[in-house]
Amino acid sequence: EAGVAQSPRYKIIEKRQSVAFWCNPISGHATLYWYQQILGQGPKLLIQFQNNGVVDDSQLPKDRFSAERLKGVDSTLKIQPAKLEDSAVYLCASSLNSGGDRVYGYTFGSGTRLTVV
Amino acid sequence: GQNIDQPTEMTATEGAIVQINCTYQTSGFNGLFWYQQHAGEAPTFLSYNVLDGLEEKGRFSSFLSRSKGYSYLLLKELQMKDSASYLCAVRDLNAGKSTFGDGTTLTVKP
Repeated sequence: EAGVAQSPRYKIIEKRQSVAFWCNPISGHATLYWYQQILGQGPKLLIQFQNNGVVDDSQLPKDRFSAERLKGVDSTLKIQPAKLEDSAVYLCASSLNSGGDRVYGYTFGSGTRLTVV
Repeated sequence: GQNIDQPTEMTATEGAIVQINCTYQTSGFNGLFWYQQHAGEAPTFLSYNVLDGLEEKGRFSSFLSRSKGYSYLLLKELQMKDSASYLCAVRDLNAGKSTFGDGTTLTVKP
C-alpha cells in the first residue's frame, strides 16, 4: 500500500513569512497526526485528528500555527508568521485506529524539513 | 503528563547485543512503542508492549514492566545498519496520544 505522502520535502523561508505543509495519509486511516521534531529531540505532537475532528491540539501554538483536515482525508499545517525557533522537521503520521495499534503503530511520512532564516 | 527518559548515546560492536532502556512516569498508561529512526529519515515502527513481559521479533525484543515504569529494547547480532536513533513512546489513555522520548543514538562499530 502507498505510504504517508508529504510535501514539500524541504522549505527555507525568512522569519515572519508564512508556510504550509501538506499530508495525505494512508487510505482508510482515520487518525492523522502532525509532529514537530527539532534536531536532537523526539517528535512532539502538535495536533491529532480523528476523521475531520480535532482530538488533541493542546501543544499547538495557536497564535501562529493552524491545521485542518476538512474532508477527513488529507491535511494541511500552516505557520504564520514563522519564527526562527520553528526550524524543525514536520512529520505527518497516520494510523487505522486512534493511538496506533500493536501491529503497525503509526506510519510516518518522510517529513518536511523547515529552515527559518 | 508524561516524563520519558532514555540514554542519549550508546556505542556497541557489530555482532554484539545491546540493551536500550526507557523509563517513564505517566498519569495514564496505555502501551509503549519503540521506533527506529535513521538520520534524515522518518521513524519506523519496531514494537508495541501493553502487558508486562518480553515480546520477541527476530533480532529485536522489547520488554515492559508497568509496575516499574520501565522498558527496554534488546538488539541482538548487531549489524552496521542498526546504527540509528531509537525512540521510546508512551501511549496514554486519553485518545491514545503518544509522547516520545528524545531517543537514544546507537552507533555500531566494526
